[in-house]
Amino acid sequence: GNSVTQMEGPVTLSEEAFLTINCTYTATGYPSLFWYVQYPGEGLQLLLKATKADDKGSNKGFEATYRKETTSFHLEKGSVQVSDSAVYFCALSDRDAGNMLTFGGGTRLMVKP
Amino acid sequence: DVKVTQSSRYLVKRTGEKVFLECVQDMDHENMFWYRQDPGLGLRLIYFSYDVKMKEKGDIPEGYSVSREKKERFSLILESASTNQTSMYLCASSTRALAPGNTIYFGEGSWLTVV
Repeated sequence: GNSVTQMEGPVTLSEEAFLTINCTYTATGYPSLFWYVQYPGEGLQLLLKATKADDKGSNKGFEATYRKETTSFHLEKGSVQVSDSAVYFCALSDRDAGNMLTFGGGTRLMVKP
Repeated sequence: DVKVTQSSRYLVKRTGEKVFLECVQDMDHENMFWYRQDPGLGLRLIYFSYDVKMKEKGDIPEGYSVSREKKERFSLILESASTNQTSMYLCASSTRALAPGNTIYFGEGSWLTVV
């Protein structure tokens, strides 16, 4: 079956530090990959996505590149802000599985001023 | 903007009570979902529905049921609440189209505490 593995948190950074949150996946088909963000007290919002190998998703200064050879979709940001403090979820959808989303366990990011 | 609205943000219920969690979406989406979110476990799918009166079990359906009488509304029912159902519940919706990268939209979540 499909699965998503993300680094465990919490990740604590100072403002303006570089961020990487690792995500790897296993899938039987050819998945689309997503990063969702959950700010405190809110539901999940789509942050970015990529639908084929070597695609780069980007939004709000965050980027992630779909690497089929390493089955990875790591989230990066060059300079984090306090307002980026949230829980980040990596996810995949697989057409062979009816496009149902499979989520990783989530990584909490805390950015200190 | 797509809006998925969950009727209750915070609920406290007693063990054995019947609990209804309501969800409404305004984008005429065919698919609707109920997830449960627990620390370290990510989101786990309880049930989903791809049409009115249709439902499919997700990964953890035990102890839950659902109802979809209208396209815009999807209800999660806990027939007899137990303390291990204390959790955050998230409703979501999406179009049925099987295009790659089809986006799913989430509500703000309902925090349920069973005492």
